[in-house]
Parts: sequence; C-alpha cells; structure tokens
Amino acid sequence: ELKVEQNPLFLSMQEGKNYTIYCNYSTTSDRLYWYRQDPGKSLESLFVLLSNGAVKQEGRLMASLDTKARLSTLHITAAVHDLSATYFCAVEPGTYKYIFGTGTRLKVLA
Amino acid sequence: ETGVTQTPRHLVMGMTNKKSLKCEQHLGHNAMYWYKQSAKKPLELMFVYSLEERVENNSVPSRFSPECPNSSHLFLHLHTLQPEDSALYLCASSPVPGQVYEQYFGPGTRLTVT
Repeated sequence: ELKVEQNPLFLSMQEGKNYTIYCNYSTTSDRLYWYRQDPGKSLESLFVLLSNGAVKQEGRLMASLDTKARLSTLHITAAVHDLSATYFCAVEPGTYKYIFGTGTRLKVLA
Repeated sequence: ETGVTQTPRHLVMGMTNKKSLKCEQHLGHNAMYWYKQSAKKPLELMFVYSLEERVENNSVPSRFSPECPNSSHLFLHLHTLQPEDSALYLCASSPVPGQVYEQYFGPGTRLTVT
C-alpha cells in the first residue's frame, strides 16, 4: 500500500522556536510537494522538490528531500503566529498519481 | 475572477437528490483534478482530466460522475449519495499534463449529505 506519513500530526510551539516536520513515504518518488492549508481555506503550494538532496527556502520555512531515505523535512525557524496552519506533503509516484500525507496541524503560540 | 473557483461553496443535499459541483480555472492550465478531503483522512485523488480526457479514476463509486467539457471547466455530478460522502471537495489544476508542476487548488465545496 502506498503511504505518506507525517510526523507529528499536531504541533503546538512557542513563537521564536525552531521545529521540524517529517514526511516519510513508502514508494519511489523523485518529486515531493509541500502545501499549506489555512482553516477554511484551500491548499497553497509552498515547495516543489525535484531531486535527491534538493533544498528550498522561503522565509522561515526550509524544505529538503532525501529520496534514498524516502524522507522530506520541513524546518521552521523562529516561528511566528502567521505560520499557524496545516502543512501537507505529497508525492507523485506516477503520472497523475498524487498521494498526500495526513497533514501536520501547526499552532504557534504567542 | 482569478485562479481556481468553485461553486457552490456549501451544499446540503439529501440522499435521493441530484446535484452538481462546478470548478473553473482561469490559469490556462490543461489538467484538472477532483479531490475529496475528509476529516482525519489524507486528501484523496478522485479523478484526473488531461486535455479534457479522463486519465485517472481512483476506484470512485459510480454515484460520483465527472465531466470536463473543456480545459477550463470541470464538473462533479452527484446522485444517491451516502452520509459518508460528506466532505470538502477540492478542485485543482496544473499547467501541463504529466509535467512537474505543483497544483493550484480552488477553495472547495463543503458537502453535507443528510
């Protein structure tokens, strides 16, 4: 069974702290996507990681991909309240075959 | 209108009703998708259309019937639904079929089946 697992499922953190969200997947995929979803809103693309060792950064978020370990990480640096949202990773093991993780609900406390 | 729009945003229907969800993308994309988002479950890909042709149907019950009349519009026709079909239905599009691009999502239709 194709699986994408995210850890943790829920994360409550203080402003200014650092933390990492993990995304493990069970199938071969050279592509990995990270999305953000605010409550009551749709998904917004954050990063597209295309190759082993890829690293992308945008503001306080940095994503990396290790295709050999089938692992991606989303690192949060000096969290702020505006980062509170649910974060999803997704893999694409074949054309038109997108598999999403269960999501990590992040709450940043002031 | 910009991006991906969906109507209606909220829908309540009985199990014997027939209704349709509409999605429109204003991005010039050639691939469109229907997803189901249920509480406590991962996002599930239901259907994929590429250049107006259905290319993926992920074992979705026949009470869900998609239609893609052109590359800008996508419909999901609903009939004889079950309460467990209550969910957020998301439409998405991407630029080029089979190429590596992220998907652009609409705001979703919150469906409640009574």
